[in-house]
Amino acid sequence: DGGITQSPKYLFRKEGQNVTLSCEQNLNHDAMYWYRQDPGQGLRLIYYSQIVNDFQKGDIAEGYSVSREKKESFPLTVTSAQKNPTAFYLCASSRSHVSSYNEQFFGPGTRLTVL
Amino acid sequence: RKEVEQDPGPFNVPEGATVAFNCTYSNSASQSFFWYRQDCRKEPKLLMSVYSSGNEDGRFTAQLNRASQYISLLIRDSKLSDSATYLCVVSTGGFKTIFGAGTRLFVKA
Repeated sequence: DGGITQSPKYLFRKEGQNVTLSCEQNLNHDAMYWYRQDPGQGLRLIYYSQIVNDFQKGDIAEGYSVSREKKESFPLTVTSAQKNPTAFYLCASSRSHVSSYNEQFFGPGTRLTVL
Repeated sequence: RKEVEQDPGPFNVPEGATVAFNCTYSNSASQSFFWYRQDCRKEPKLLMSVYSSGNEDGRFTAQLNRASQYISLLIRDSKLSDSATYLCVVSTGGFKTIFGAGTRLFVKA
């Protein structure tokens, strides 16, 4: 089955730790995205990638980092510089960023809690 | 003003009812429009894209009004399983995609 997987489903972090969230897709999509969702709010874009070895900051990139070494993988690192990291993190992909093909499909998400 | 605005609800309707959600957007250059469904503590799932001519998928009908900058979603013959949060999504093309905060729907027996 084609789809997007994220791991882990739940993650607990101590203050001062960096943690990495995994996102893998086998849809052969070029574009990938990371969002965070806080209660009662819309999704906010952290980073996006149009193609391998390229990524751009979204609206709330501070305290986060990403890499795109393979087309199917787009891991997100939440660094200790992120002051309020407790949230629901969602990875998505789309065929392209071109408007006719930019419907986004989401992975199941990772819930990160800072202890 | 938010770029995409939705009535947060909740909408409480009985089974079999017809319910409609509206969503307004502020950027007149917006090109792509979608409705997503999100169940509690789950990821959003694409419900339907919204086209200028309007489109229908079974009990769901979506419409776009570019002049007034709003999109709508109509659900006919509501089922218990329709209970969820419905997200309005607007894209100006490229990577600029804005998600509304969602409208909660509860369908009761």
